Amino acid sequence: GENVEQHPSTLSVQEGDSAVIKCTYSDSASNYFPWYKQELGKRPQLIIDIRSNVGEKKDQRIAVTLNKTAKHFSLHITETQPEDSAVYFCAAKRAHNNNDMRFGAGTRLTVKP
Amino acid sequence: DSGVTQTPKHLITATGQRVTLRCSPRSGDLSVYWYQQSLDQGLQFLIQYYNGEERAKGNILERFSAQQFPDLHSELNLSSLELGDSALYFCASSQEPAGGDEQFFGPGTRLTVL
Repeated sequence: GENVEQHPSTLSVQEGDSAVIKCTYSDSASNYFPWYKQELGKRPQLIIDIRSNVGEKKDQRIAVTLNKTAKHFSLHITETQPEDSAVYFCAAKRAHNNNDMRFGAGTRLTVKP
Repeated sequence: DSGVTQTPKHLITATGQRVTLRCSPRSGDLSVYWYQQSLDQGLQFLIQYYNGEERAKGNILERFSAQQFPDLHSELNLSSLELGDSALYFCASSQEPAGGDEQFFGPGTRLTVL
């Protein structure tokens, strides 16, 4: 089955700096890669996702890049703000395949004002 | 609000007991997933149901079981509870396989085993 590794486990940045979180996956057939943000005590919420037919996707201050050959994908947050502080999870699965999605272990991002 | 509901919100019980957690998916979603999140841990996939049938199994203990009913709501049964079962239990739903892959999470049930 799929195995997703995520690094770093914790990340502290100064407000306004960029943050990068990286994930690797093992199943070469995976083609759907979402990123979830989880604030303390709350549910995980999707912030951005990418499919294997594109290499990069951007939504305002958030971007995700995908390297299918190397089987890794990354989340980039620019101009970080204190409200970006949360735990971020990456995940991977085979799209439209009705199978389970495997999550990385999470990255706790702290943005210092 | 994701449209996924879970009850109860909190549950406190003793070791050895049995509890049932309930999840109602978003309207139209046929797939339901259960996850366990222990303190400061990631999301551990437990089990997936699609339209009443089990589709995938993750790290689910034999003491745990689940089912999805004809009205598509799902229940996760945890028995012979141990202290280590204390965790947040999330359910999620999606339109898979017919529609999008995005999983929408419910608010979770916080289980405390004393």
